[in-house]
Amino acid sequence: DAGVTQSPTHLIKTRGQQVTLRCSPKSGHDTVSWYQQALGQGPQFIFQYYEEEERQRGNFPDRFSGHQFPNYSSELNVNALLLGDSALYLCASSLAGKDTQYFGPGTRLTVL
Amino acid sequence: GDSVTQMEGPVTLSEEAFLTINCTYTATGYPSLFWYVQYPGEGLQLLLKATKADDKGSNKGFEATYRKETTSFHLEKGSVQVSDSAVYFCALLGTSYGKLTFGQGTILTVHP
Repeated sequence: DAGVTQSPTHLIKTRGQQVTLRCSPKSGHDTVSWYQQALGQGPQFIFQYYEEEERQRGNFPDRFSGHQFPNYSSELNVNALLLGDSALYLCASSLAGKDTQYFGPGTRLTVL
Repeated sequence: GDSVTQMEGPVTLSEEAFLTINCTYTATGYPSLFWYVQYPGEGLQLLLKATKADDKGSNKGFEATYRKETTSFHLEKGSVQVSDSAVYFCALLGTSYGKLTFGQGTILTVHP
């Protein structure tokens, strides 16, 4: 039973560029949430997708956008990258109506 | 809004010592409470959870009891091992459906 997978593992970008991160949920899960974890901090909620729609959003600017596909996989897009966007981006999957979220290994984004 | 406060760290213990990591929360309603663990270079793994007052979550020798009267969910283990060295995060799932709110994390180092 495959767990949550994310790609790529690491990514280096420069300021002003755009980036796309990808996530495949745990088998049987239909809900995907994205979190940003700055170095030495706890994860911060970006948004959650269910039935291909953004269901809830945290305090992140519109530069952060996402998408969910019919197979429940998801993408996180960040435009106009800033140095402060450097972080570990975590994807978590869950089943609608259930409280437990399972996390992937994350994508480490470095903005130079 | 929802918030989670963890004891300031880091925590350094000798093998077989008793562990307590304090966690208190602020939330409306009756949140579900979680402890996640993060090993170096990895994503978050669910350690244990509790969904209602006086519930005790347990896993791998770790325990935490949901105390509504003190709004706390302290993590304990009777005898830690070197392999328990990691970062521990307390989190809650509140009325904002799907959003996990995390504490800042506690670094645990266990020496032989």
